[in-house]
Amino acid sequence: GAGVSQSPSNKVTEKGKDVELRCDPISGHTALYWYRQSLGQGLEFLIYFQGNSAPDKSGLPSDRFSAERTGGSVSTLTIQRTQQEDSAVYLCASSLKTGSGEQYFGPGTRLTVT
Amino acid sequence: AQSVAQPEDQVNVAEGNPLTVKCTYSVSGNPYLFWYVQYPNRGLQFLLKYITGDNLVKGSYGFEAEFNKSQTSFHLKKPSALVSDSALYFCAVREIIPGAGSYQLTFGKGTKLSVIP
Repeated sequence: GAGVSQSPSNKVTEKGKDVELRCDPISGHTALYWYRQSLGQGLEFLIYFQGNSAPDKSGLPSDRFSAERTGGSVSTLTIQRTQQEDSAVYLCASSLKTGSGEQYFGPGTRLTVT
Repeated sequence: AQSVAQPEDQVNVAEGNPLTVKCTYSVSGNPYLFWYVQYPNRGLQFLLKYITGDNLVKGSYGFEAEFNKSQTSFHLKKPSALVSDSALYFCAVREIIPGAGSYQLTFGKGTKLSVIP
């Protein structure tokens, strides 16, 4: 079946511009996660959605970052007034709520802020 | 708070030799433990997990991992390395909290495995 998809695969933007990154989770997965992967670093948790519950935003690095999940499916991560330190690969993952919560990852969006 | 340590940034091994990628974790309660692999310009792929039961877990591509509660370790192993195993490997942990809904994983910084022909 279809896996997690993300778009765009690459995004180059100028400092100060806003960007939107999209994630389509696996159908039927109620949990959705956003992570950031910087060069030489591990995965940094950003935000977690579970069904209709309030999202866990504890990982968002600043108020320039926000995310929405519409209809319990597609999610959009928005970064306002981008800075060069926002350059990274943004990964989305989804999982079933039950059991071990094993996460399935999308291919990521590589964001470059110039 | 949960945490994961991968003490080696890079591991080099000759093709055909056994490989080990180390991982230690810290949680207050019981853990769920995972290994993921990332090939160049690709997303993370799930390799294996430990939930409960047998301490030796077998996963994809001939990999296995051993859960050691006393040493709080979950090292990834393979008896005979292939050049195609060269990739970035991530260990992850989730603390089991009864009644808690968060499935947040905490990842290590990753270990780059290079298998030399």
